[in-house]
Amino acid sequence: EDKVVQSPLSLVVHEGDTVTLNCSYEVTNFRSLLWYKQEKKAPTFLFMLTSSGIEKKSGRLSSILDKKELFSILNITATQTGDSAVYLCAVPGGTSYGKLTFGQGTILTVHP
Amino acid sequence: EAQVTQNPRYLITVTGKKLTVTCSQNMNHEYMSWYRQDPGLGLRQIYYSMNVEVTDKGDVPEGYKVSRKEKRNFPLILESPSPNQTSLYFCASSRGQYYGYTFGSGTRLTVV
Repeated sequence: EDKVVQSPLSLVVHEGDTVTLNCSYEVTNFRSLLWYKQEKKAPTFLFMLTSSGIEKKSGRLSSILDKKELFSILNITATQTGDSAVYLCAVPGGTSYGKLTFGQGTILTVHP
Repeated sequence: EAQVTQNPRYLITVTGKKLTVTCSQNMNHEYMSWYRQDPGLGLRQIYYSMNVEVTDKGDVPEGYKVSRKEKRNFPLILESPSPNQTSLYFCASSRGQYYGYTFGSGTRLTVV
């Protein structure tokens, strides 16, 4: 069975802190891993990772994939209250070609 | 503007009364999918479609039907809704299964 596990499930920090969110996966026929941010409504796409060891960056957010150890991390530096959201990790494919398996999500709360 | 449009945004209905949630995308994406999101369970895939007339079950297909007669539309049908289908539903599309997905704004369904 395909599995995507995120940790921690919840994280509370103060503005300016740096956070690291984890995503581990067990998915057959792995091709890519996706990160999303979900505030009050629909998830919005952050990163797609396909190659091991290559960091993707967007402003204060960055992410890296380790295909040998089957995990990815999402880093947020100098957090702001606007970073408060649920961060979702998802892996397409697996046991069924069209499948997309999500992790449970990490709820990040950034206090002023 | 490139988008996925779901309707309605909110729906309260009674047990057993057939309903359809519509989903339309204007990006010429081949891949479309439906998810439900429940507290503690995250996003779970209901059905997906790789192209017109090609659909398949996700992780939680029971009680749902879909059709893909045109590339842009992918309606979700609940023939006989039950209270355990009360949830937040998202439609999403992508240019390919392993790429980033664009999500609709969500439909909050309550079945009483």
